[in-house]
Amino acid sequence: AQSVTQLDSQVPVFEEAPVELRCNYSSSVSVYLFWYVQYPNQGLQLLLKYLSGSTLVESINGFEAEFNKSQTSFHLRKPSVHISDTAEYFCAVSRASGGSYIPTFGRGTSLIVHP
Amino acid sequence: KAGVTQTPRYLIKTRGQQVTLSCSPISGHRSVSWYQQTPGQGLQFLFEYFSETQRNKGNFPGRFSGRQFSNSRSEMNVSTLELGDSALYLCASSGGYEGGEQYFGPGTRLTVT
Repeated sequence: AQSVTQLDSQVPVFEEAPVELRCNYSSSVSVYLFWYVQYPNQGLQLLLKYLSGSTLVESINGFEAEFNKSQTSFHLRKPSVHISDTAEYFCAVSRASGGSYIPTFGRGTSLIVHP
Repeated sequence: KAGVTQTPRYLIKTRGQQVTLSCSPISGHRSVSWYQQTPGQGLQFLFEYFSETQRNKGNFPGRFSGRQFSNSRSEMNVSTLELGDSALYLCASSGGYEGGEQYFGPGTRLTVT
């Protein structure tokens, strides 16, 4: 079985400040890690993913996440946030099973960026 | 490529009724998954269809069912609706990439009264 814990349900921050959204996972097998973002009244969008190789992965809009196997973490960071980054962020883990991938999502972290 | 589309976007039903939701995946994607999203339970996996067969199933009662057609379009059905079924139902398609990244539709907001 696998599980994902997002340690903060809500993270308020001022514009241009740095932010870190924390994610820890548990799994008995090798996993793939994802961050998705959900804007109001929309579905989830893939932000970035870790499959293998370099433990630091980046998105096109300035977010990055680092896979830490020893701490089973995949925290999301951005050095300077914008108002438009206000959204719900979901960490997810998937594992291979019989030719497909079984996903498990965290409960989400609401990032609120204040002007 | 067009994204994942879901219809209808909003739906209001009465307890005891049944409902059918529709999802069209990204062209070429053969895997379609369904999720229920609620404030209390978060995002929960319902089931996954691949080539018209249910390949994986979450922990939901039998009132929740689905199917997939030969063109990969999928429908989800909920029978005997309960108040607790009020949720955002999300459909996601996947192209078989390593790790199973999902491409989500905008969702159907179901309200049961």
